[in-house]
Amino acid sequence: RKEVEQDPGPFNVPEGATVAFNCTYSNSASQSFFWYRQDCRKEPKLLMSVYSSGNEDGRFTAQLNRASQYISLLIRDSKLSDSATYLCVVNPPGYALNFGKGTSLLVTP
Amino acid sequence: DAGVTQSPTHLIKTRGQQVTLRCSPKSGHDTVSWYQQALGQGPQFIFQYYEEEERQRGNFPDRFSGHQFPNYSSELNVNALLLGDSALYLCASSLVWREAPYNEQFFGPGTRLTVL
Repeated sequence: RKEVEQDPGPFNVPEGATVAFNCTYSNSASQSFFWYRQDCRKEPKLLMSVYSSGNEDGRFTAQLNRASQYISLLIRDSKLSDSATYLCVVNPPGYALNFGKGTSLLVTP
Repeated sequence: DAGVTQSPTHLIKTRGQQVTLRCSPKSGHDTVSWYQQALGQGPQFIFQYYEEEERQRGNFPDRFSGHQFPNYSSELNVNALLLGDSALYLCASSLVWREAPYNEQFFGPGTRLTVL
């Protein structure tokens, strides 16, 4: 079993749609959680950290359920510029970040 | 504020050769991690350096080695290159004292290595 598993993509949605990405992780001792965004042939960039209480940043909302070892990302009012690959990232005990394979999002006019 | 920088941006090598990739961390950061990202995959952790020592290593063979310098910059060396080593190599920097959940890592643009 992979340590971080994400929804298979790609997700094709129209502008203005709401889209949700899900992610599960296997190490219950994991300490921190992130969503990174990666544009084609570019480096991953931190989109948001995910806190136990859930957190929101504009159109983006992240949720963490430690009991179910589940992380989600909700994007409201999708923009063309949201098209990218979204990487679910988990920090187990230690210093490494474990990345999911990523989910590709394409927002169409 | 300078972000993470990496050099070179692209590199082409042949099987059996050796390669050295370089990374300068974000200003103020003291910890450097290296990741390998194959096409269509998420980045895979290679190792992390702090205070010029390797703190943790991922599941990579000894052909992969690294170094950190007193100015916190780092090198990744790969010996006896294989075709499967073709990937985007990413360097990420962070601050050692920032603990979860504030221990985010910031990535450089990567070095794209092609092994022929």
